[in-house]
Amino acid sequence: DTGVSQDPRHKITKRGQNVTFRCDPISEHNRLYWYRQTLGQGPEFLTYFQNEAQLEKSRLLSDRFSAERPKGSFSTLEIQRTEQGDSAMYLCASSRDHSPGYTFGSGTRLTVV
Amino acid sequence: AQSVTQPDIHITVSEGASLELRCNYSYGATPYLFWYVQSPGQGLQLLLKYFSGDTLVQGIKGFEAEFKRSQSSFNLRKPSVHWSDAAEYFCAVSPSGGSYIPTFGRGTSLIVHP
Repeated sequence: DTGVSQDPRHKITKRGQNVTFRCDPISEHNRLYWYRQTLGQGPEFLTYFQNEAQLEKSRLLSDRFSAERPKGSFSTLEIQRTEQGDSAMYLCASSRDHSPGYTFGSGTRLTVV
Repeated sequence: AQSVTQPDIHITVSEGASLELRCNYSYGATPYLFWYVQSPGQGLQLLLKYFSGDTLVQGIKGFEAEFKRSQSSFNLRKPSVHWSDAAEYFCAVSPSGGSYIPTFGRGTSLIVHP
């Protein structure tokens, strides 16, 4: 069990640029979740995959956001035309079926300048 | 829709003192309940979880939590706090089926005085 890995740990980008984050879940976990956390707040749900299928998306996930999990293993989260309001910590978590007890990665801290 | 309330934004305790962090949830059925801890700049670490059965749940690092259905609460306790416990603590609730997507409270920041 190597844990959930997220890359990069930090990303600074200029407003209007596109960014992509990667999450590698625990290998036997088929469920994968993306969350966003702003300063002083709890994590807010963005989207959820079961294997390669994206089953739920939050209203927070605007048209500029897209997530994929092409082979049911790693996942990517892309933000197009970044805005200052996108500055946050983006967290990924994974779990097994029928056994919630989500393991979180260390997150990707995005700063939009 | 489920929701979680952590009424205390900050809690300050002296090292060695006991601790109780409050969590109230709203959910139509019996939920799954969790407590997570987050150190600055890090992800969340699971302290303990409640699915069913014994309402007093033991977790890591000497923490425990008690599920009280009548009060819709899942308070976190520790008998003697260590300086290393200073962190942000999050309570979460998820449905007991389907997507299991957890909803988090806004967190309680624990400050430990020597």
